Amino acid sequence: EPEVTQTPSHQVTQMGQEVILRCVPISNHLYFYWYRQILGQKVEFLVSFYNNEISEKSEIFDDQFSVERPDGSNFTLKIRSTKLEDSAMYFCASIPLTQGYGYTFGSGTRLTVV
Amino acid sequence: LAKTTQPISMDSYEGQEVNITCSHNNIATNDYITWYQQFPSQGPRFIIQGYKTKVTNEVASLFIPADRKSSTLSLPRVSLSDTAVYYCLVGDKNSGYALNFGKGTSLLVTP
Repeated sequence: EPEVTQTPSHQVTQMGQEVILRCVPISNHLYFYWYRQILGQKVEFLVSFYNNEISEKSEIFDDQFSVERPDGSNFTLKIRSTKLEDSAMYFCASIPLTQGYGYTFGSGTRLTVV
Repeated sequence: LAKTTQPISMDSYEGQEVNITCSHNNIATNDYITWYQQFPSQGPRFIIQGYKTKVTNEVASLFIPADRKSSTLSLPRVSLSDTAVYYCLVGDKNSGYALNFGKGTSLLVTP
């Protein structure tokens, strides 16, 4: 079964540092997403990406966040200056154009900001 | 996206059938009902999706009454490994819109 791959699985960073979380979506999928889940809380939408541009973003996705699909296979989430409250699990997801809500999620990156 | 309401938690013994009901009174004509499963420290996993009546796959069944204002996820003969959080989501299948996860139902299966 095809998988969405995320790296690293765990990243520890100091407050104020930049981090890049990486994802390799399923190859024939066209919509890409980032979600996050703070420990003990619900899964929250951050951003969706289609046709090489952001199609939707949440209030959480402020100027500190950016996404990029640099080479046609990787999909990255950058946090420019991390805050303690950015500590969370970050999940990448993708869907093909026509499947709708059957998203495939990656196993996540646990980001710890100290 | 239509709001959904589901129980916060449920308990079951191994081998029993578990039915988790979700209310979605404001479901729109184009909306589908989708269920996800999430284990601790893992991403949500798609279980099943349906529009009306009954849908069954190798993992679960989804029952949707005629008015579509609720749906029931049925897990046959649960095992300990079915302990997880289950989310009911409602939305337009043909859009690339964001998923709006609620708190889900935390299912605990015990021996």
